[in-house]
Amino acid sequence: GAGVSQSPSNKVTEKGKDVELRCDPISGHTALYWYRQSLGQGLEFLIYFQGNSAPDKSGLPSDRFSAERTGGSVSTLTIQRTQQEDSAVYLCAAGGGSPAGGNTIYFGEGSWLTVV
Amino acid sequence: GQQLNQSPQSMFIQEGEDVSMNCTSSSIFNTWLWYKQDPGEGPVLLIALYKAGELTSNGRLTAQFGITRKDSFLNISASIPSDVGIYFCAGLGPGANSKLTFGKGITLSVRP
Repeated sequence: GAGVSQSPSNKVTEKGKDVELRCDPISGHTALYWYRQSLGQGLEFLIYFQGNSAPDKSGLPSDRFSAERTGGSVSTLTIQRTQQEDSAVYLCAAGGGSPAGGNTIYFGEGSWLTVV
Repeated sequence: GQQLNQSPQSMFIQEGEDVSMNCTSSSIFNTWLWYKQDPGEGPVLLIALYKAGELTSNGRLTAQFGITRKDSFLNISASIPSDVGIYFCAGLGPGANSKLTFGKGITLSVRP
């Protein structure tokens, strides 16, 4: 929604392989979030980027998970040595700007990861 | 940390009925956002609220930002089958780097 693009939309990978998921927000989206959602569950916060501030990594479930955001725009979520329990949809959300302009956050369509 | 309470986890209504969903917090928020998620899709923003007391409509949807800044509700009037989905509330607290907090979502079922 509102210009947040995620790729790939679907990924099937073998257990133990590394995967990279990409989020491409609209230029100017200062805030960017990654969430994980298992089937029928709510949104599990992973990581939050805001402008040039240090990212909030408090939701990353293990050291196999990492994310970076280059140039304040595109973000990549990397999962190393994937496990079957990593199977889920990974959602990126971005938006915001100054509080005076309203902090509206939009989601991408998600990347569906299946680890076999 | 901040938490948002959404309950019940599931709601079942008859087509044509109105339904109200509430979201409460123990701390104040500056922004309230309501999303709907259809199966296999990412959440879609329905309504954004930025000011205490604000009442905003979007078609059959109406949402309000509570005066205390600790709650918000979403009303759906004259429900139709395509209203089925998961409804999430989310809030942003004070502060430039405030992090978005989500409720656990309410799954709405509409019987034809």
